[in-house]
Amino acid sequence: GAGVSQSPRYKVAKRGQDVALRCDPISGHVSLFWYQQALGQGPEFLTYFQNEAQLDKSGLPSDRFFAERPEGSVSTLKIQRTQQEDSAVYLCASSLRSNEQFFGPGTRLTVL
Amino acid sequence: GNSVTQMEGPVTLSEEAFLTINCTYTATGYPSLFWYVQYPGEGLQLLLKATKADDKGSNKGFEATYRKETTSFHLEKGSVQVSDSAVYFCAPLAQGGSEKLVFGKGTKLTVNP
Repeated sequence: GAGVSQSPRYKVAKRGQDVALRCDPISGHVSLFWYQQALGQGPEFLTYFQNEAQLDKSGLPSDRFFAERPEGSVSTLKIQRTQQEDSAVYLCASSLRSNEQFFGPGTRLTVL
Repeated sequence: GNSVTQMEGPVTLSEEAFLTINCTYTATGYPSLFWYVQYPGEGLQLLLKATKADDKGSNKGFEATYRKETTSFHLEKGSVQVSDSAVYFCAPLAQGGSEKLVFGKGTKLTVNP
């Protein structure tokens, strides 16, 4: 079946603009995760959903970051008033409960 | 919370050489352990996993054994190929809550023909 998909694959934003990143998880996967991967680093956890409930948002770096998954499937990560330090690859992953996480290709965000 | 220390890279080997990438972790209890691989221009892929002490995960000739005593999960391969060139990430699964992965910094492997 289809894997995790993310869109757009690349996004260039001017500092101060708002951006929205989309994740389509594998059908039927209950859990959905967002990670941020800076250049040359390992991914860092941002937030976690179980169905539509956001159970952990401890990794969101500021209140400019907001994520939602209103129907328990597609998720959107929104970043308001983007800053240069937000430039990174944003990864989405989905999983069945307690199983391995399957990652999407990521969205590379560049803030100028 | 969990943390992981991974062997610094980059690592450069000749084809058919033996590979070891060290990984140690700190955690309360016994988390599931994972190795992920990121090939150039691609997303993260699960390479192998182990869910309890003394388990050995294996895939594509790679192996790693869950060592509770040393809190380690070292990745090994007996004979690397050029196609193994990638970045490798060790990641324990956090416990008690979100089940997020806690990634190391990654080890870049280059295999030369």
